Amino acid sequence: EPEVTQTPSHQVTQMGQEVILRCVPISNHLYFYWYRQILGQKVEFLVSFYNNEISEKSEIFDDQFSVERPDGSNFTLKIRSTKLEDSAMYFCASSYLQGALAGYTFGSGTRLTVV
Amino acid sequence: ILNVEQSPQSLHVQEGDSTNFTCSFPSSNFYALHWYRWETAKSPEALFVMTLNGDEKKKGRISATLNTKEGYSYLYIKGSQPEDSATYLCALHSTGNQFYFGTGTSLTVIP
Repeated sequence: EPEVTQTPSHQVTQMGQEVILRCVPISNHLYFYWYRQILGQKVEFLVSFYNNEISEKSEIFDDQFSVERPDGSNFTLKIRSTKLEDSAMYFCASSYLQGALAGYTFGSGTRLTVV
Repeated sequence: ILNVEQSPQSLHVQEGDSTNFTCSFPSSNFYALHWYRWETAKSPEALFVMTLNGDEKKKGRISATLNTKEGYSYLYIKGSQPEDSATYLCALHSTGNQFYFGTGTSLTVIP
């Protein structure tokens, strides 16, 4: 069964450094998403991406964050100047359709630890 | 931000017992409700997408119902097995086309 792949599974970075989290969505999917879950809190929407541009973003997704689909297969989340509170599990998801019946397929997440 | 609540937060049941848990959401922003099953260190796995009031969906021993007027959905597991142990997440797909997740119900099935 096709799956969404995320790398690395765990990343430790120093505060102030930049990190890039990588995702390979399912190949025929058109919509891509990043979510995060801070330990003990809810899964939160960050951003959705379609047709090579951001289609929606939450208030969490400020200038510190950016997304890119550099080569038609990878979908990356860049976090600049990381802060301690950026420590979370980051999930990538993709879907073929958008709308009520769209089944999102999630990756297994990247655990980011900022020290 | 829309508030999606799940209860209970955690649940321990004996193998063979049936169980159910609740997802509550603001009915005014409803577009669809998704249920996911999430095992530690794995991807959340989609169980159901529900859109219509009164919807009932079933997948093996797991079923779900939906009441959009009062803003809740129930997930039922019949004859729980140890492999059912996981966190069950619901997510409201809002009319603003965003997903709002609940905090999940962590189920442990004791053999």
